[in-house]
Amino acid sequence: AQSVSQHNHHVILSEAASLELGCNYSYGGTVNLFWYVQYPGQHLQLLLKYFSGDPLVKGIKGFEAEFIKSKFSFNMRKPSVQWSDTAEYFCAVNADFNKFYFGSGTKLNVKP
Amino acid sequence: NAGVTQTPKFRVLKTGQSMTLLCAQDMNHEYMYWYRQDPGMGLRLIHYSVGEGTTAKGEVPDGYNVSRLKKQNFLLGLESAAPSQTSVYFCASRPRTSGSYEQYFGPGTRLTVT
Repeated sequence: AQSVSQHNHHVILSEAASLELGCNYSYGGTVNLFWYVQYPGQHLQLLLKYFSGDPLVKGIKGFEAEFIKSKFSFNMRKPSVQWSDTAEYFCAVNADFNKFYFGSGTKLNVKP
Repeated sequence: NAGVTQTPKFRVLKTGQSMTLLCAQDMNHEYMYWYRQDPGMGLRLIHYSVGEGTTAKGEVPDGYNVSRLKKQNFLLGLESAAPSQTSVYFCASRPRTSGSYEQYFGPGTRLTVT
């Protein structure tokens, strides 16, 4: 079975600190990669996606992610977090046409 | 557009009871999915559908059944609920458009089985 690993389960940062969340997957073939965000009390929303091309992708709110094929990784970064970034972040992999695998999530708390 | 909606938002069941969760989308998407979210485990795919009248098993299908009688609706049924099915259930949809793999999620249904 495919697996998606998120290394940090809970991250606490102060505002303006930099953020990096790790994501590794196990599938060896062609993949589509995603980061979703779930703000408190809300549903999951797409933050970043990678299908092909430039391995560095930029999303909303200053988030970016880098696909490194040799490391099976899709790590996400933000140079300076805000209190409003407090949320849970999920990495996801689409390895077969309709099979999506999600990581266990990382809860980010940003202290004002 | 309402997007993806789920009914009900919360439900408490006793072991052995049955219920149906309804997912509705107004975006004319062909593909629909049911996931469960458990603490520390992320989302796991239960069943999915690629079109009206078709369904397929996902990663954790046991104990659940689904139906897609109308394109806009995807129902998830629990015939005999068990405490292990206590979870938050999310529905998602996406269009068939080539290269479009973004899923649109509903707000979730929190189910507790006692």
